[in-house]
Formats: sequence, C-alpha cells, structure tokens
Amino acid sequence: ETGVTQTPRHLVMGMTNKKSLKCEQHLGHNAMYWYKQSAKKPLELMFVYSLEERVENNSVPSRFSPECPNSSHLFLHLHTLQPEDSALYLCASSQKQGIEKLFFGSGTQLSVL
Amino acid sequence: SQKIEQNSEALNIQEGKTATLTCNYTNYSPAYLQWYRQDPGRGPVFLLLIRENEKEKRKERLKVTFDTTLKQSLFHITASQPADSATYLCALVRGGGNKLTFGTGTQLKVEL
Repeated sequence: ETGVTQTPRHLVMGMTNKKSLKCEQHLGHNAMYWYKQSAKKPLELMFVYSLEERVENNSVPSRFSPECPNSSHLFLHLHTLQPEDSALYLCASSQKQGIEKLFFGSGTQLSVL
Repeated sequence: SQKIEQNSEALNIQEGKTATLTCNYTNYSPAYLQWYRQDPGRGPVFLLLIRENEKEKRKERLKVTFDTTLKQSLFHITASQPADSATYLCALVRGGGNKLTFGTGTQLKVEL
C-alpha cells in the first residue's frame, strides 16, 4: 500500500455520461497530480496541484475537470468523453511540487464506449 | 522538447543473471533522473534517484549509472529473480525545471 488510494479501480462509461474519479493520499503531502497512461505511450502529466492550488494544466481538454478541495483529496470530473480517452488514470502525490519522488495510486482503468 | 528512449522490446533473462535496462535521452541534460517499477494494473513505484553530478547509485541489488556525455542511464538488477519481472520506467527532471518526463518503459521478464 503506497498511501495513495484511487476509486473506482475500473470504470466503463458512455460518451454522454458524467463520472468522477477520486484520489486520497494519507502521506501528508502538499502536491497532487493526475497522469494519463495509454498503451505504448509514456505517462502524460495532466494536472498539478500544490497546496490546493492548480499550478499546471497541461493543455488538457475541458471535458476533464480537476478539483482539489483539500491537500488530501483530488478529483477528476469527466464529461462527454471520447473513446480515445480510454486509458489508465493515475493519481500521485509528493512532499512538495517539483523534483520530489512521486507516490502513485493503483489507478482507474477507464473505458469509454 | 525532451525525448526519452527506453527499449520497447521486452527483456527476457534467466534467474540469477544481471538485467541491464537502458534509458537514453536527447536535448537538454537532466538535473535528476529517477527509476520506477510498474506491475500490471498498478501505479509506478519509486526505486532510485540519481543526480547529474553522481556517476552511480546503489540500493541493495539495484544499481543506476548516469553518463551525461553519452546522455544515458543504465539500470542494473543483479542476481535477478522472477519477482523482479515488471516494467521499469525512467523519468527525467530538467535542470532548473520541476516536471518529471517519463519514458515508455521496458518490460523485464525473469525466467526460472
């Protein structure tokens, strides 16, 4: 157990659905991240939050909407997704934003039909 | 932009041998380089960090080297075991930057 918990582990949704991914870290870290991992591609950084403020939005489409209500919780709200958005979505945290080592959750495997 | 190359083909080795994985990068020199292990259906797990002024780092059976002239890092697992089978990712941080850039990873299979 890495101290970062993601739910759900698996999610199947239609293109018109609205769903949310949840991440919770129990490590007392100040930075949280959303990554997308597609087959045969490197991890893609989507969003970075430091002390609950968004500090990075890596040109992610608006159908992905992050929310960080406090330093322990991170959400990714999904709306009107496309089949190409199917991927493993990973949450990570670090002591502070920057070059610190990352602690990842197990991810949510998302399938968009 | 930074490009990181890891061997996309799986590496198969026999138990007890040393596994060597390669991470090559282009463009700017990273200030830090990290290695992660990822098992199927799980998130990556941090293994080692090496700085640009360090040639080598060790942790138990793991060894990482960093050659800024060749723009390459090598990751070694000595006395490999079937439990070492996983995908290994390298990730770089640019000097003066604060963002990790990941490679695609290399799958290692250790056979009995």
